[in-house]
Amino acid sequence: GNSVTQMEGPVTLSEEAFLTINCTYTATGYPSLFWYVQYPGEGLQLLLKATKADDKGSNKGFEATYRKETTSFHLEKGSVQVSDSAVYFCAPQDQGGSEKLVFGKGTKLTVNP
Amino acid sequence: EPEVTQTPSHQVTQMGQEVILRCVPISNHLYFYWYRQILGQKVEFLVSFYNNEISEKSEIFDDQFSVERPDGSNFTLKIRSTKLEDSAMYFCATFGHRGLPGPPTNTGELFFGEGSRLTVL
Repeated sequence: GNSVTQMEGPVTLSEEAFLTINCTYTATGYPSLFWYVQYPGEGLQLLLKATKADDKGSNKGFEATYRKETTSFHLEKGSVQVSDSAVYFCAPQDQGGSEKLVFGKGTKLTVNP
Repeated sequence: EPEVTQTPSHQVTQMGQEVILRCVPISNHLYFYWYRQILGQKVEFLVSFYNNEISEKSEIFDDQFSVERPDGSNFTLKIRSTKLEDSAMYFCATFGHRGLPGPPTNTGELFFGEGSRLTVL
């Protein structure tokens, strides 16, 4: 099955700073890739996704590009806000079977004013 | 917007007791999952369910766990005899639209409920 390695946190940034959270995966074939976000006390919400190589997913100022060569899907945002404080999870999707997501350990982001 | 709903939001139980967590999937979704998250740790896959049977389960999903969809709507996770280490947040997730007409289609992403927090004392 798939596996994922995600940058360890926690990450603490000041408002308007640049954010990068690294994510690399191992998989058979070319899985769809996802970033989910978990705000304090809440469930998991889809942030963005990419379904094939070189696709760029984007949402709320966040971006991630599906890099087949490096098996990576790094999350970036040019200018973070306090409201971006959350835990971010990278997840490739198993294909052809249960279609389950395999989550990384999560990266906790805290953005200070 | 359609959503996955879970009940209860929080349950406290004594060790050895049976617990049933319930999930109402998004209508017309075909794939169902349970995940758990021990406080502050990673989100772990437990089981997937498709076409009224388990399609995959993890090592965590031992004989103490079971899932069913008894009435075609609710999707339940039962823990037969809870242990202290079962304390966690349990998330239900669903995806996969029933294509009309034609085969099932999906947008890829899983839709998660808000979770059920289980505390075993």
